[in-house]
Amino acid sequence: SYELTQPPSVSLSPGQTARITCSGDALARKYVYWFQQKSGQAPVLVIYEDIKRPPGIPERFSGSSSGTVATLTISGAQVEDEGDYYCYSNDRSGNVWVFGGGTRLTVL
Amino acid sequence: EVQLVESGGDLVKPGESLRLSCSVSGFTFTSAWMTWVRQAPGKGLEWVGRIRSNSDGGTPEYAAPVKGRFTISRDDSTSTLFLQMNSLRPEDTATYFCMTLWAGGAADWGQGTLVTVSS
Repeated sequence: SYELTQPPSVSLSPGQTARITCSGDALARKYVYWFQQKSGQAPVLVIYEDIKRPPGIPERFSGSSSGTVATLTISGAQVEDEGDYYCYSNDRSGNVWVFGGGTRLTVL
Repeated sequence: EVQLVESGGDLVKPGESLRLSCSVSGFTFTSAWMTWVRQAPGKGLEWVGRIRSNSDGGTPEYAAPVKGRFTISRDDSTSTLFLQMNSLRPEDTATYFCMTLWAGGAADWGQGTLVTVSS
C-alpha cells in the first residue's frame, strides 16, 4: 500500500526556520496538502496543492515540492506553531488517499 | 457557518457493528466529496475512505485495513454521511472524523466521535 514518510519530530527555538519533509513515490505527479493539529483539536489545513496557502494562514507557512519530496517550511517559527503536522496525498490511481505518519513540531 | 457533527461512537465488543453519522450544514452537501478519517489514541491520522458526490457517481473508496468491513454512504436529502462498521476489531479503536477537502484551499472537519472496541 502507498505510504508517505515524515520525520517523527522537529525541534527548534522561536524565530528559527522549521522544515518538515514528506516523501512518497507518487508525489512527483500528485498534490500534497499539509494539516496542522494541536492537542485535542481537529486538524487545520495550512498548505494545499503543494505551495498554496489558505486564507488566514500566516505567511511564515510555505510549501514546496521537488520530485518525490514535499516540504513544509515555517519561517520564523513561533511557540503557537507547536503541534503535529501531517502531509496528505493520494496514490497513482487517485482513488486512495493517505496521511504521512506525522511530525511533532516543538518550539521552545 | 459550516458545521460537521459526528455521532454514533460507542463502546462495542470485537465482532460487533456500529454506524456513525456525520450531519452537515453550512455548505452544499450534494456537491461535496466526503471523507472519513480516524485517529487512534495517541497516534496519527489515518484515511478510512471517501465517497464522491452523487453527481460524480457516488463511488466510495476504502483504505486497505477496512475494505470489506466498512461501508460509506450518504443521504443528500438530509445532508448526512454514514460509516457502517462491521466485524469491528480492537485496532479500529479511534476517534472518527468526517472531513471534506475543497478545491481552492479549504477543508472542513468535524470534532470527531470516539469508537472503542474492547471485550
